[in-house]
Amino acid sequence: GDSVTQMEGPVTLSEEAFLTINCTYTATGYPSLFWYVQYPGEGLQLLLKATKADDKGSNKGFEATYRKETTSFHLEKGSVQVSDSAVYFCALRMADKLIFGTGTRLQVFP
Amino acid sequence: DADVTQTPRNRITKTGKRIMLECSQTKGHDRMYWYRQDPGLGLRLIYYSFDVKDINKGEISDGYSVSRQAQAKFSLSLESAIPNQTALYFCATSDSADKGRNQPQHFGDGTRLSIL
Repeated sequence: GDSVTQMEGPVTLSEEAFLTINCTYTATGYPSLFWYVQYPGEGLQLLLKATKADDKGSNKGFEATYRKETTSFHLEKGSVQVSDSAVYFCALRMADKLIFGTGTRLQVFP
Repeated sequence: DADVTQTPRNRITKTGKRIMLECSQTKGHDRMYWYRQDPGLGLRLIYYSFDVKDINKGEISDGYSVSRQAQAKFSLSLESAIPNQTALYFCATSDSADKGRNQPQHFGDGTRLSIL
Protein backbone atom coordinates (compact mmCIF):
# COMPACT_ATOMS: atom_id res chain seq x y z
CA GLY A 1 0.00 0.00 0.00
CA ASP A 2 0.88 3.67 -0.12
CA SER A 3 3.34 4.77 2.54
CA VAL A 4 5.76 7.50 3.60
CA THR A 5 9.14 6.96 5.22
CA GLN A 6 10.96 9.73 7.06
CA MET A 7 14.35 9.82 8.68
CA GLU A 8 14.25 9.25 12.39
CA GLY A 9 15.05 12.09 14.71
CA PRO A 10 15.82 14.01 16.59
CA VAL A 11 17.85 16.15 14.26
CA THR A 12 19.97 18.50 16.34
CA LEU A 13 21.55 21.55 14.71
CA SER A 14 23.15 24.81 15.65
CA GLU A 15 21.53 28.03 14.51
CA GLU A 16 22.36 28.93 10.87
CA ALA A 17 23.21 25.34 9.96
CA PHE A 18 21.88 23.67 6.82
CA LEU A 19 18.92 21.35 7.26
CA THR A 20 17.89 18.28 5.33
CA ILE A 21 15.09 15.96 6.42
CA ASN A 22 14.72 12.98 4.14
CA CYS A 23 11.35 11.70 2.96
CA THR A 24 10.63 8.91 0.50
CA TYR A 25 7.29 7.53 -0.54
CA THR A 26 5.65 4.50 -2.08
CA ALA A 27 2.51 5.05 -4.13
CA THR A 28 0.71 3.25 -6.92
CA GLY A 29 -0.31 6.44 -8.71
CA TYR A 30 0.69 10.10 -8.77
CA PRO A 31 0.21 11.58 -5.33
CA SER A 32 0.41 15.14 -4.14
CA LEU A 33 3.12 15.62 -1.53
CA PHE A 34 3.11 17.82 1.56
CA TRP A 35 5.26 18.88 4.46
CA TYR A 36 3.50 19.79 7.69
CA VAL A 37 5.04 21.30 10.82
CA GLN A 38 3.88 20.85 14.39
CA TYR A 39 5.03 23.32 17.03
CA PRO A 40 4.77 22.32 20.71
CA GLY A 41 1.19 22.21 21.93
CA GLU A 42 -0.27 22.94 18.52
CA GLY A 43 -1.82 21.09 15.62
CA LEU A 44 -0.17 20.49 12.29
CA GLN A 45 0.27 23.39 9.89
CA LEU A 46 0.87 23.09 6.19
CA LEU A 47 4.43 24.15 5.42
CA LEU A 48 4.61 23.50 1.68
CA LYS A 49 3.28 21.24 -1.04
CA ALA A 50 3.97 19.94 -4.55
CA THR A 51 1.37 18.41 -6.80
CA LYS A 52 3.38 16.90 -9.66
CA ALA A 53 6.84 15.67 -10.58
CA ASP A 54 9.61 18.30 -10.56
CA ASP A 55 7.44 20.83 -8.72
CA LYS A 56 9.25 22.70 -5.96
CA GLY A 57 7.30 23.77 -2.92
CA SER A 58 8.70 26.59 -0.80
CA ASN A 59 7.70 28.59 2.25
CA LYS A 60 9.50 30.44 5.07
CA GLY A 61 12.90 29.51 3.63
CA PHE A 62 12.06 25.80 3.42
CA GLU A 63 12.07 23.98 0.10
CA ALA A 64 11.26 20.51 -1.19
CA THR A 65 11.28 19.14 -4.73
CA TYR A 66 9.00 16.36 -5.92
CA ARG A 67 11.39 13.75 -7.40
CA LYS A 68 9.47 11.04 -9.17
CA GLU A 69 12.58 9.14 -10.26
CA THR A 70 13.76 8.69 -6.67
CA THR A 71 10.26 8.85 -5.09
CA SER A 72 11.54 11.49 -2.71
CA PHE A 73 10.46 14.84 -1.28
CA HIS A 74 13.32 15.93 0.97
CA LEU A 75 12.89 19.07 3.06
CA GLU A 76 15.75 21.59 3.08
CA LYS A 77 16.54 24.95 4.60
CA GLY A 78 19.74 26.85 4.14
CA SER A 79 19.97 28.46 7.57
CA VAL A 80 17.83 27.24 10.45
CA GLN A 81 16.71 29.34 13.39
CA VAL A 82 15.84 28.39 16.95
CA SER A 83 12.21 29.14 16.09
CA ASP A 84 12.27 26.30 13.54
CA SER A 85 12.41 23.76 16.36
CA ALA A 86 9.35 21.56 15.84
CA VAL A 87 8.24 18.19 14.51
CA TYR A 88 8.07 17.90 10.72
CA PHE A 89 5.77 15.47 8.93
CA CYS A 90 5.97 14.39 5.32
CA ALA A 91 2.67 13.28 3.81
CA LEU A 92 1.20 12.10 0.55
CA ARG A 93 -2.32 12.62 -0.72
CA MET A 94 -3.73 9.79 -2.82
CA ALA A 95 -7.41 9.66 -3.68
CA ASP A 96 -9.32 10.49 -0.52
CA LYS A 97 -6.62 9.96 2.05
CA LEU A 98 -3.64 11.76 3.51
CA ILE A 99 -0.90 9.37 4.63
CA PHE A 100 1.70 10.67 7.07
CA GLY A 101 5.22 9.71 7.89
CA THR A 102 6.13 9.21 11.54
CA GLY A 103 7.53 12.71 11.94
CA THR A 104 11.05 14.06 12.52
CA ARG A 105 11.82 16.24 15.51
CA LEU A 106 14.17 19.16 14.81
CA GLN A 107 15.98 20.84 17.67
CA VAL A 108 17.94 24.02 16.91
CA PHE A 109 20.28 25.45 19.52
CA PRO A 110 21.70 29.00 19.65
CA ASP B 1 -10.37 32.82 16.54
CA ALA B 2 -9.19 29.41 15.39
CA ASP B 3 -10.68 28.07 12.15
CA VAL B 4 -10.81 24.52 13.52
CA THR B 5 -11.72 24.29 17.20
CA GLN B 6 -11.47 21.17 19.30
CA THR B 7 -12.99 20.70 22.73
CA PRO B 8 -11.87 19.78 25.28
CA ARG B 9 -8.14 20.46 24.95
CA ASN B 10 -7.32 18.00 27.70
CA ARG B 11 -9.29 15.19 29.30
CA ILE B 12 -8.46 12.58 31.89
CA THR B 13 -10.96 9.80 32.43
CA LYS B 14 -11.30 6.22 33.60
CA THR B 15 -11.49 2.95 31.76
CA GLY B 16 -15.03 2.11 30.64
CA LYS B 17 -16.28 5.67 30.49
CA ARG B 18 -17.94 7.13 27.41
CA ILE B 19 -16.07 10.10 25.99
CA MET B 20 -17.01 12.58 23.29
CA LEU B 21 -14.52 14.87 21.56
CA GLU B 22 -15.95 17.71 19.57
CA CYS B 23 -14.73 19.58 16.52
CA SER B 24 -16.19 22.65 14.87
CA GLN B 25 -14.93 24.64 11.91
CA THR B 26 -15.54 28.03 10.36
CA LYS B 27 -13.70 27.36 7.11
CA GLY B 28 -16.79 26.21 5.22
CA HIS B 29 -15.09 22.97 4.21
CA ASP B 30 -17.09 19.89 3.31
CA ARG B 31 -14.52 17.34 4.40
CA MET B 32 -13.65 16.57 8.02
CA TYR B 33 -11.32 14.03 9.58
CA TRP B 34 -10.34 12.55 12.92
CA TYR B 35 -6.79 11.34 13.57
CA ARG B 36 -4.88 10.08 16.56
CA GLN B 37 -1.21 10.78 17.12
CA ASP B 38 1.03 8.41 19.05
CA PRO B 39 4.78 8.79 19.60
CA GLY B 40 6.74 7.13 16.80
CA LEU B 41 3.61 6.33 14.78
CA GLY B 42 2.74 9.65 13.23
CA LEU B 43 -0.92 10.37 12.58
CA ARG B 44 -3.40 7.62 11.84
CA LEU B 45 -6.84 8.19 10.38
CA ILE B 46 -9.81 7.10 12.51
CA TYR B 47 -12.84 8.32 10.52
CA TYR B 48 -13.57 10.83 7.81
CA SER B 49 -16.62 12.50 6.36
CA PHE B 50 -17.05 14.18 2.99
CA ASP B 51 -20.43 15.71 3.80
CA VAL B 52 -23.18 15.45 6.37
CA LYS B 53 -24.53 12.18 5.00
CA ASP B 54 -21.17 10.57 4.31
CA ILE B 55 -19.13 8.77 6.99
CA ASN B 56 -16.18 6.49 6.27
CA LYS B 57 -13.94 4.34 8.40
CA GLY B 58 -10.26 5.06 8.40
CA GLU B 59 -7.27 2.95 9.27
CA ILE B 60 -8.09 2.43 12.96
CA SER B 61 -11.84 2.86 13.51
CA ASP B 62 -12.39 -0.01 15.99
CA GLY B 63 -13.51 1.29 19.38
CA TYR B 64 -14.56 4.66 17.96
CA SER B 65 -17.69 6.17 16.42
CA VAL B 66 -18.43 9.55 14.88
CA SER B 67 -21.32 11.86 14.21
CA ARG B 68 -21.49 14.62 11.59
CA GLN B 69 -24.16 16.84 13.10
CA ALA B 70 -23.77 19.62 10.56
CA GLN B 71 -21.32 20.70 7.91
CA ALA B 72 -19.35 22.54 10.57
CA LYS B 73 -19.41 19.90 13.33
CA PHE B 74 -17.86 16.45 13.56
CA SER B 75 -17.65 14.62 16.89
CA LEU B 76 -15.68 11.54 17.87
CA SER B 77 -16.91 9.15 20.57
CA LEU B 78 -15.21 6.43 22.55
CA GLU B 79 -18.10 4.29 23.76
CA SER B 80 -16.08 2.49 26.42
CA ALA B 81 -12.65 3.97 26.79
CA ILE B 82 -9.60 1.76 27.32
CA PRO B 83 -6.04 2.76 28.29
CA ASN B 84 -4.52 2.10 24.84
CA GLN B 85 -6.76 4.87 23.49
CA THR B 86 -4.64 7.34 25.40
CA ALA B 87 -3.30 9.62 22.68
CA LEU B 88 -3.41 13.06 21.13
CA TYR B 89 -6.46 13.42 18.88
CA PHE B 90 -6.69 15.84 15.97
CA CYS B 91 -9.58 17.03 13.88
CA ALA B 92 -8.88 18.34 10.38
CA THR B 93 -10.83 19.82 7.48
CA SER B 94 -10.23 20.21 3.77
CA ASP B 95 -11.92 21.71 0.75
CA SER B 96 -13.53 19.41 -1.80
CA ALA B 97 -12.39 21.47 -4.80
CA ASP B 98 -10.53 19.43 -7.44
CA LYS B 99 -12.03 16.37 -5.76
CA GLY B 100 -9.78 17.20 -2.83
CA ARG B 101 -6.68 15.93 -4.57
CA ASN B 102 -4.42 18.95 -4.10
CA GLN B 103 -6.15 20.40 -1.08
CA PRO B 104 -4.23 20.59 2.19
CA GLN B 105 -5.83 19.69 5.46
CA HIS B 106 -6.27 22.26 8.21
CA PHE B 107 -5.83 20.98 11.75
CA GLY B 108 -7.17 21.91 15.15
CA ASP B 109 -4.83 22.20 18.12
CA GLY B 110 -5.64 18.72 19.37
CA THR B 111 -7.22 17.04 22.38
CA ARG B 112 -4.90 15.26 24.78
CA LEU B 113 -6.83 12.28 26.14
CA SER B 114 -5.59 10.15 29.03
CA ILE B 115 -7.44 7.02 30.08
CA LEU B 116 -6.54 5.58 33.44
